[in-house]
Order: sequence, then C-alpha cells, then structure tokens
Amino acid sequence: QQQVKQSPQSLIVQKGGISIINCAYENTAFDYFPWYQQFPGKGPALLIAIRPDVSEKKEGRFTISFNKSAKQFSLHIMDSQPGDSATYFCAAVASGSARQLTFGSGTQLTVLP
Amino acid sequence: NAGVTQTPKFQVLKTGQSMTLQCAQDMNHEYMSWYRQDPGMGLRLIHYSVGAGITDQGEVPNGYNVSRSTTEDFPLRLLSAAPSQTSVYFCASSYSDTNTGELFFGEGSRLTVL
Repeated sequence: QQQVKQSPQSLIVQKGGISIINCAYENTAFDYFPWYQQFPGKGPALLIAIRPDVSEKKEGRFTISFNKSAKQFSLHIMDSQPGDSATYFCAAVASGSARQLTFGSGTQLTVLP
Repeated sequence: NAGVTQTPKFQVLKTGQSMTLQCAQDMNHEYMSWYRQDPGMGLRLIHYSVGAGITDQGEVPNGYNVSRSTTEDFPLRLLSAAPSQTSVYFCASSYSDTNTGELFFGEGSRLTVL
C-alpha cells in the first residue's frame, strides 16, 4: 500500500526546460513534505521541503507547489541543467510519527545537453 | 566529519546465510534508521531508533533485527537471508527531535542474495 504516489517514473527534458514531478498522498495526517535528490551510487540528500500551510516554496531553480485540498504537491525545476540529472523522491511525514518518512517511488530525471 | 558511514558497500550472500550491515555516524544524532530501496518502490523504512537502547519497527521489518547500544552505531542484521532481501540498503540519521529534521543518508550497501 503506497501512501505517496509519484509520477512520472522517468522524465527526459532538454537543457533549459522545465521539469515537473508530481506526487499525491492519501494520509491527511501528513504535515511535512520533503523532496530528496539522489545521484547514482549515492544516498538521497534533502533538496527542499514544504509545510501545508503555504502553497509554494522556492529555493533557487527549485519550487514546490502544494495543493492541500487536492492532496497533491509537485516539484518544478526551472532552467533544468544536465547536472540536475538524478532520481528525485517526494516524501511525507506526520507529526508524532518519529520521523517515519513515507517515500514516493521516485522519478529518474535526465536532462539532455 | 565523515557523516554516515555504511559497510560493506557490496555483499553477495547465499540463501540462509546471516550477515550484519554496519552503520556509524559521527554527528551525535539521536535518530537513526534503515531503509531499503527497490526499483519502483522508493525507499521503505525497516527499523529506526530514537536513541541508544531504543528501537522500533518500520514498514518492512520482517527478516531484520537491529540494536542500538551506542549513539554512533546502528547495525542491521539479516538472520537468514532470502532472495527477497536483495536490495540496496541505506542508513540515515537526523539531529532534530522534530519530524521536520533533515535525514542524512549513507552511500548505501548493495546486497545480493542468491
């Protein structure tokens, strides 16, 4: 039972384009939504995160959009670069859950030069 | 600081063998956890610990044991390996006592069970 559904599974974007990865969740107790970035052979690393009391958070070229009523959130990568090629995981966690993150299935992003 | 260190990086086991995946962190983090990563499944929590002497089960704990005798170390034991345990295992730690704490991951241990 996957509580966080992520799409697409893979994404190919041209350099300079916009990459969009979508996630949807079911558990209304989730109240913190981080995104992790993973390069081949490495462990995931926190990229950006959002709480449901805001609809958008931007850090450089990376933006999270959050729709609480639809229980959906997405990652937008503006001006995508070949160095952004990695696997991206959305995640969710509920208060009082001792940091038990529930991860999406991952999106493998390839940015073509 | 080395961060989160996992050993070994690669291991091949035969069905029924036992082994321990080691995890150590030098950041004085109270929270540590083990995840497994499988294609199309994301990362799934196996076990976690909120401090020395305290452990609890995650989403997929069957076939795995853990202990936390020190703040720094959190080994994961496979008592009788099965092909279904072929996966990449990640150890992670966090300094924060809230659910918003950033998880710091090791580089992973790739396990193949024949």
